[in-house]
Amino acid sequence: GQNIDQPTEMTATEGAIVQINCTYQTSGFNGLFWYQQHAGEAPTFLSYNVLDGLEEKGRFSSFLSRSKGYSYLLLKELQMKDSASYLCAVSDSNYQLIWGAGTKLIIKP
Amino acid sequence: GAVVSQHPSWVICKSGTSVKIECRSLDFQATTMFWYRQFPKQSLMLMATSNEGSKATYEQGVEKDKFLINHASLTLSTLTVTSAHPEDSSFYICRVQGQGATEAFFGQGTRLTVV
Repeated sequence: GQNIDQPTEMTATEGAIVQINCTYQTSGFNGLFWYQQHAGEAPTFLSYNVLDGLEEKGRFSSFLSRSKGYSYLLLKELQMKDSASYLCAVSDSNYQLIWGAGTKLIIKP
Repeated sequence: GAVVSQHPSWVICKSGTSVKIECRSLDFQATTMFWYRQFPKQSLMLMATSNEGSKATYEQGVEKDKFLINHASLTLSTLTVTSAHPEDSSFYICRVQGQGATEAFFGQGTRLTVV
């Protein structure tokens, strides 16, 4: 079957760095997405990786290793507004998105 | 980038009534749209895939007679929750697949509360 695993919840301090991991097992692979979702709102796109390596975009970076079925989202210089759920999703061989359950990130002052 | 408009953003209805949710792709023609449901503190659950001009494909466990999907044009898909019950209260979100595999855009979501 298809499966996406990510931690349920993480806590970090304002100004610090946090890494959210995602492991996946899917039938085919056409890229991995990271989305941010604040409570009561729709997800917003953060990043897309289809090749191995690190993609940096401002304070957020995303890494992919296809051979390991592994990705992480790295958030630097954490701000209180970064408190949200972070969703990992993999596009399978049919370009269907398989979603992880999301990681709730709590930022403390 | 593409813009997806979902309406209404929230709705309260009485048990037994029907509610229609619209999802519009404003910037490009979308042959495929996806409908998700999300309960509090849970991830997105795919309900159905909406294909323009044909019947929607429903995920296992989703009642097609209860959740009616119409995708009559390349820019509009609608989800109608029929005979709503309190357990249908949830956050419903549409997603539009862009013309490339890297593009996936969400509507703003609809918070449905059935009383």
